[in-house]
Amino acid sequence: SYELTQAPSISVSPGQTASITCSGANLGEKFASWYQQQPGQSPLLIIYQDTKRPSGIPERFSGSNSGNTATLTISGTQAMDEADYYCQTWDSGTVVFGGGTKLAVL
Amino acid sequence: EVQLVESGGGLVQPGGSLRLSCATSGFTFSAFWLTWVRQAPGKGLEWVANIKTDGSEKYYVDSVKGRFTISRDNAKNSLYLQMNSLRAEDTAVYYCARDREYYGSGRDSWSNWGQGTAVTVSS
Repeated sequence: SYELTQAPSISVSPGQTASITCSGANLGEKFASWYQQQPGQSPLLIIYQDTKRPSGIPERFSGSNSGNTATLTISGTQAMDEADYYCQTWDSGTVVFGGGTKLAVL
Repeated sequence: EVQLVESGGGLVQPGGSLRLSCATSGFTFSAFWLTWVRQAPGKGLEWVANIKTDGSEKYYVDSVKGRFTISRDNAKNSLYLQMNSLRAEDTAVYYCARDREYYGSGRDSWSNWGQGTAVTVSS
């Protein structure tokens, strides 16, 4: 079955750029989405179709997808961005989520 | 405002059944694919099932096939998940979510989520 791999955790200093990666076989040939989940909250869609931001999502969030890796980039990371981030795609008609990356803003 | 509100969770013994509901408002219910996603305590997200706008297509993760049934009532703007033969590993918060696209493919992403309902399977 298809798998998406994310680093369990990363840390970034406030104001710096955070890059969260998601790896899967030929992921660049599929669409990737990204969700943010704050503690105790429901997931929030922040990137869809690799690069697009839903309305209301700050411009500091951006996405890319090429080869085997999709990347979520948070520019000028803020304390409020501390959360879990999940990538997601579709393979053979089923949904695949990455294991999630916990972003610490230190 | 788009709203999705899950209910029906609780404590159930292994082998038991529960029916989850998701009441929605603020959008044209019949025009969107809907899905159930669950999250076990301290774990990541897991897709459970989804259903087409008119209910004619339903898809499930392998681990729930034959035990769970997704359904919808477009007249009541509601989504359901009938869960039978429950196992300890089904313990999770269950979220209902709405597809991003109006009459979309059902193969994209989910722009609106409920707050979740907790299911605990334990003796």
